[in-house]
Amino acid sequence: NAGVTQTPKFQVLKTGQSMTLQCAQDMNHEYMSWYRQDPGMGLRLIHYSVGAGITDQGEVPNGYNVSRSTTEDFPLRLLSAAPSQTSVYFCASSYSPGRGEKLFFGSGTQLSVL
Amino acid sequence: AQKITQTQPGMFVQEKEAVTLDCTYDTSDPSYGLFWYKQPSSGEMIFLIYQGSYDQQNATEGRYSLNFQKARKSANLVISASQLGDSAMYFCAMRDTDSNYQLIWGAGTKLIIKP
Repeated sequence: NAGVTQTPKFQVLKTGQSMTLQCAQDMNHEYMSWYRQDPGMGLRLIHYSVGAGITDQGEVPNGYNVSRSTTEDFPLRLLSAAPSQTSVYFCASSYSPGRGEKLFFGSGTQLSVL
Repeated sequence: AQKITQTQPGMFVQEKEAVTLDCTYDTSDPSYGLFWYKQPSSGEMIFLIYQGSYDQQNATEGRYSLNFQKARKSANLVISASQLGDSAMYFCAMRDTDSNYQLIWGAGTKLIIKP
């Protein structure tokens, strides 16, 4: 049972480069989301999706794009990487966005932007 | 605005002792859910326990229990009989149905269990 699969696990970018963080889940979850985790802070929501074809912004969306063409996949694109985007990124999913639905997390991507 | 506060940046606890990790929250919505997650040094996020705002009893999951005091807006995690493997970061989070499904997170508490 794979759960939520995130790739890559580590990535180093130069300022201005673009890249896509991949996220896939095999639990038929409708709700998927991307968070970033910075030292001394809780996770912050970047973008989320409540189903295929539907995405919305979270707390810190600037510099990131998402799309949801299938239920399984929710890639996160960094358009022009900046040092401020150095962080650990987590993809998460849940069956629905209901108040009691726990999130299942991927293993995280550690991104460094030089 | 909704907010989660964890006031203990770090804690040291002797093995086998019980430990309480503090979490206070602020929301105007009567319907909300509170979660605790554990993040060991390996980095993954592990779900521990959930409490709904309308749940009558405090949630329990094995050695984890939640001391839910609605009037004080606190949802403290209690770990009984702590083990060395409990050393990790612990995050409190709230799912607010009024904030577009966002999960709002506290800054976390680093728990270190001493042998």
